[in-house]
Amino acid sequence: DAKTTQPTSMDCAEGRAANLPCNHSTISGNEYVYWYRQIHSQGPQYIIHGLKNNETNEMASLIITEDRKSSTLILPHATLRDTAVYYCIVRTQGGSEKLVFGKGTKLTVNP
Amino acid sequence: GAVVSQHPSRVICKSGTSVKIECRSLDFQATTMFWYRQFPKQSLMLMATSNEGSKATYEQGVEKDKFLINHASLTLSTLTVTSAHPEDSSFYICSASSRANTGELFFGEGSRLTVL
Repeated sequence: DAKTTQPTSMDCAEGRAANLPCNHSTISGNEYVYWYRQIHSQGPQYIIHGLKNNETNEMASLIITEDRKSSTLILPHATLRDTAVYYCIVRTQGGSEKLVFGKGTKLTVNP
Repeated sequence: GAVVSQHPSRVICKSGTSVKIECRSLDFQATTMFWYRQFPKQSLMLMATSNEGSKATYEQGVEKDKFLINHASLTLSTLTVTSAHPEDSSFYICSASSRANTGELFFGEGSRLTVL
């Protein structure tokens, strides 16, 4: 079973920041928080991951609370192409460690 | 560009036939590959984990004799759906990881199987 809880759906206006929350209250000390997204009928796309420090890359920022029990993915300037299902996953690092997907959040970016 | 490629992207077959889906890592050695299945409006469900040169480990409820997985090389894994039936119609997705992987898993584009 997935170890994360996310809202089923969210809406965001184009050009505004999209903040997607995720609860992972049972996360272990060696588990990372990963975010992926899936645009309709495509394979999942990696966005970002982190352990305890906040992370930023060209796609998004990841804010992890100090107790690591929750995190927020931030898309700073959402576009229509960011409409997708966003998955928050906790996983230990290592090539053989599997990703277990929950239901994710369906983000709809509106014009 | 894509680092994991699946083929075919779409396949339609008759009930009772077998279908093979290939998953290739394009620029790294994939010591581990994962196969997922996704039904409409549902999340990805992990079917099995395959390590190069060894038998695949199947998730509970997945029939190993129906979904044959071969990971014979470090760049190729195949999923064969044997004696396919309409209920096997789904979106099949693979992902690949290397032993040195320190971050993300790479996913293929997915293969949509329709069994008539």
